Amino acid sequence: DGGITQSPKYLFRKEGQNVTLSCEQNLNHDAMYWYRQDPGQGLRLIYYSQIVNDFQKGDIAEGYSVSREKKESFPLTVTSAQKNPTAFYLCASRTGRQPQHFGDGTRLSIL
Amino acid sequence: QQPVQSPQAVILREGEDAVINCSSSKALYSVHWYRQKHGEAPVFLMILLKGGEQKGHDKISASFNEKKQQSSLYLTASQLSYSGTYFCGTDRTNSGNTPLVFGKGTRLSVIA
Repeated sequence: DGGITQSPKYLFRKEGQNVTLSCEQNLNHDAMYWYRQDPGQGLRLIYYSQIVNDFQKGDIAEGYSVSREKKESFPLTVTSAQKNPTAFYLCASRTGRQPQHFGDGTRLSIL
Repeated sequence: QQPVQSPQAVILREGEDAVINCSSSKALYSVHWYRQKHGEAPVFLMILLKGGEQKGHDKISASFNEKKQQSSLYLTASQLSYSGTYFCGTDRTNSGNTPLVFGKGTRLSVIA
């Protein structure tokens, strides 16, 4: 079945550590996105990529980095510069004006 | 610009109806509706791509008024399974592959 796979489901970060969240899709979608959700809040855009080897900052990109070397993959790195990383991270993908679909999410906490 | 959803929260008894609104101060190129259960990812419900469009399945439907820059989600004869937070997402431009911008959500609770 086609879908979006995010891993790990839960992740813990130590002070000063960078961590990478994985997102893989087999839907052959052109565009991929990363959103952050805080408890009781909506979805805020971190980064997005419309084609391979190209990506743009979203509304809250500071402290995060991404790469898009393959169409299927769009990993997100939460760097030590992100001082408040605890949140639910959602990866999504889409082609054209079709619906945007989400992975199951990664819950990141600070140790 | 983030779309505005109303109401912020609503409590229904099983069998009652609800309407959730999504409006924007900027042009709406499309409207996407999602439902998110606690602790889970948002699940796509329906997409409306042009003004005047109406869609629905089962007892959940939606309309899109392009001129008024708003969309409404209608839930009729609500069931316990309808509980969750409903988000509307809108396209920032008329071109494809762009990320959606989401409202803050409407928390719907259905009680027996």
